[in-house]
Amino acid sequence: EAGVVQSPRYKIIEKKQPVAFWCNPISGHNTLYWYLQNLGQGPELLIRYENEEAVDDSQLPKDRFSAERLKGVDSTLKIQPAELGDSAVYLCASSVRGDTQYFGPGTRLTVL
Amino acid sequence: GESVGLHLPTLSVQEGDNSIINCAYSNSASDYFIWYKQESGKGPQFIIDIRSNMDKRQGQRVTVLLNKTVKHLSLQIAATQPGDSAVYFCAGGTSYGKLTFGQGTILTVHP
Repeated sequence: EAGVVQSPRYKIIEKKQPVAFWCNPISGHNTLYWYLQNLGQGPELLIRYENEEAVDDSQLPKDRFSAERLKGVDSTLKIQPAELGDSAVYLCASSVRGDTQYFGPGTRLTVL
Repeated sequence: GESVGLHLPTLSVQEGDNSIINCAYSNSASDYFIWYKQESGKGPQFIIDIRSNMDKRQGQRVTVLLNKTVKHLSLQIAATQPGDSAVYFCAGGTSYGKLTFGQGTILTVHP
C-alpha cells in the first residue's frame, strides 16, 4: 500500500514569493493533516480536514497561509508571501478519522 | 493547555543494549499516546501506541509503558540496533485526531 505522498521534497524560494505544497493521502483515509516542523522540534498542527471540510484551522496563519482539499482527497497548502521565518519542513499526514496518523516525507522549505 | 515533553534530549547506547526513552505529559485529556521514529530527511514513522486505559503494550522489540499516576510514558527498545538511530517523539492524542508532540529524543546507537 502506498504511503502519504508529498511534493516537492525540497523548495528554495526568495522571501515574498509564493509557494505551494501538494499532498496525496493514503487511499481511504478521510482525515488529512498539515503540520509544520521546525528543526529539533515536534510537528505542530496547522490544519485538519475531515473529507473536504477544514475542521481545525485554529493554528493556521490565515494572513499568508491557505489550504484546500476540494474533492476530499488531495490537498494543497499555500504560502503567499513567504517570509524568512517560514523556513521549515511541512508535513502531511492522513488517518481514518481520529485513528493513527501516518506521515509523508515532508517538504523542506528554505526561504532566502 | 496540553503539553507533552521529554526528560532527555539525547541518548547514546551500544549496539545490543536495551534503550529506554522517557516522556512526561501534563494534561490527562489524551485518549492515547503514540511513539514515532523520525530518521533524517523523513517523516515521522509510527512505532507503537497505547490507549490511556492501558499500562503496557508490546510490539516487535518495543514496549511502551504508561504510568498515569505520575503522567509518564516510556519506550523500551530491546537489543538496540544501529538502524534504530533516529529522533523519537512521543505524542498525546485525542479521539478526534488532535496530536500534541513532545520535543524529541535523539537516539544514537554505537556499533
